Amino acid sequence: GNSVTQMEGPVTLSEEAFLTINCTYTATGYPSLFWYVQYPGEGLQLLLKATKADDKGSNKGFEATYRKETTSFHLEKGSVQVSDSAVYFCALSTGAGKSTFGDGTTLTVKP
Amino acid sequence: GAGVSQSPRYKVAKRGQDVALRCDPISGHVSLFWYQQALGQGPEFLTYFQNEAQLDKSGLPSDRFFAERPEGSVSTLKIQRTQQEDSAVYLCASNRRDRDYNEQFFGPGTRLTVL
Repeated sequence: GNSVTQMEGPVTLSEEAFLTINCTYTATGYPSLFWYVQYPGEGLQLLLKATKADDKGSNKGFEATYRKETTSFHLEKGSVQVSDSAVYFCALSTGAGKSTFGDGTTLTVKP
Repeated sequence: GAGVSQSPRYKVAKRGQDVALRCDPISGHVSLFWYQQALGQGPEFLTYFQNEAQLDKSGLPSDRFFAERPEGSVSTLKIQRTQQEDSAVYLCASNRRDRDYNEQFFGPGTRLTVL
């Protein structure tokens, strides 16, 4: 079956530091890949997505590239802000759209 | 515009009670999904509707769990004879069509605590 493994947290960084959250996946077929973010007290919301190999998703300074050869979709940001503190979920979707999620990585950014 | 709404936001039940959780998807969204999120974990798929048809219920953990969407809009997830292991956040999501690249829009969830 499908599965997503993401970097265990929590991750604590200073403001303006570089962020990487690793995500690898196992899937049958050709999945679409997503990063969702959950800010404190809020629901899950889509951060970025990529639908085929070598696609790069980007939003709010975050980027992730769909790497089929390494089955990875690592999330990166060059300079994090305190407002980026949240829980980040990597996910994949195949077929009818139901998604398989990783366990989430909690990011705390300190001023 | 209105997003996905869920009610109640919090529910405390005594073991053995039945509960019903409601989801109002975004108007016009064809697909609706239910997920269960245990503390410290990612959401786990429960079931999926396209309009009123329940096309996949492979994630429902037992026959105590039942979901319906009779008119293709509002959905209800019912849990009978609740157990402590049912304690979790139940998330509802919707999207326009059953395409795998479509973004799912999530509701705020219902936090169920079974005592």
